[in-house]
Amino acid sequence: DIVMTQSPDSLAVSLGERATINCKSSQSVLYSSNNKNYLAWYQQKPGQPPKLLIYWASTRESGVPDRFSGSGSGTDFTLTISSLQAEDVAVYYCQQYYGNPPFTFGPGTKVDIK
Amino acid sequence: EVQLLESGGGLVQPGGSLRLSCAASGFIFNTYAMTWVRQAPGKGLEWVSGISGSGGSTFYADSVKGRFTISRDNSKNTLYLQMNSLRAEDTAVYYCAKCAGIAAAGTVSDYWGQGTLVTVSS
Repeated sequence: DIVMTQSPDSLAVSLGERATINCKSSQSVLYSSNNKNYLAWYQQKPGQPPKLLIYWASTRESGVPDRFSGSGSGTDFTLTISSLQAEDVAVYYCQQYYGNPPFTFGPGTKVDIK
Repeated sequence: EVQLLESGGGLVQPGGSLRLSCAASGFIFNTYAMTWVRQAPGKGLEWVSGISGSGGSTFYADSVKGRFTISRDNSKNTLYLQMNSLRAEDTAVYYCAKCAGIAAAGTVSDYWGQGTLVTVSS
């Protein structure tokens, strides 16, 4: 199975500042035939189910604010919140969906306000 | 509007069984794969099982293989998870999620239910 890691475990950022979360997969999730990275990012607020933010590593889900962006390819990926808002306090998970399941998640990164 | 409503959670003794249901609405159910994802108290997300839109392909995490069975009734727009031989480590909130495509492979979960809590304890 593909193992996903995230860093940092948690971070605190001032309102309006940039937050950066890293995700690494134990093997490439880039499918060469279509040049797509099978990597998604989810946001989970306390007491709520996860919400899909980004798929194909960099495509924002409909309705997701453009301050959220994803980048990276192969095994190394980044979620960036360009200007942190109070409503962005949450845990963020990356997930690979390459090939057949299981589609493993990273351990999560908790984002708080400094 | 896509809606997913899980039910069937509760307290069960180790070794016992439980069947979770997920009633879906707001989309053409049989054209989308579905998954179950769980979250132990205070922990991260764990993918559990997935099923294709037709129900012909199923997948399981190693941690539940041989004990859990995923199925769907496309005439009732309902997803199921039969859980047998339950262990304390199966204690979690179980979420059902709609996939973005008909195949269970290579697709993200774009809509999630609110979850149902399963507690395995004597």
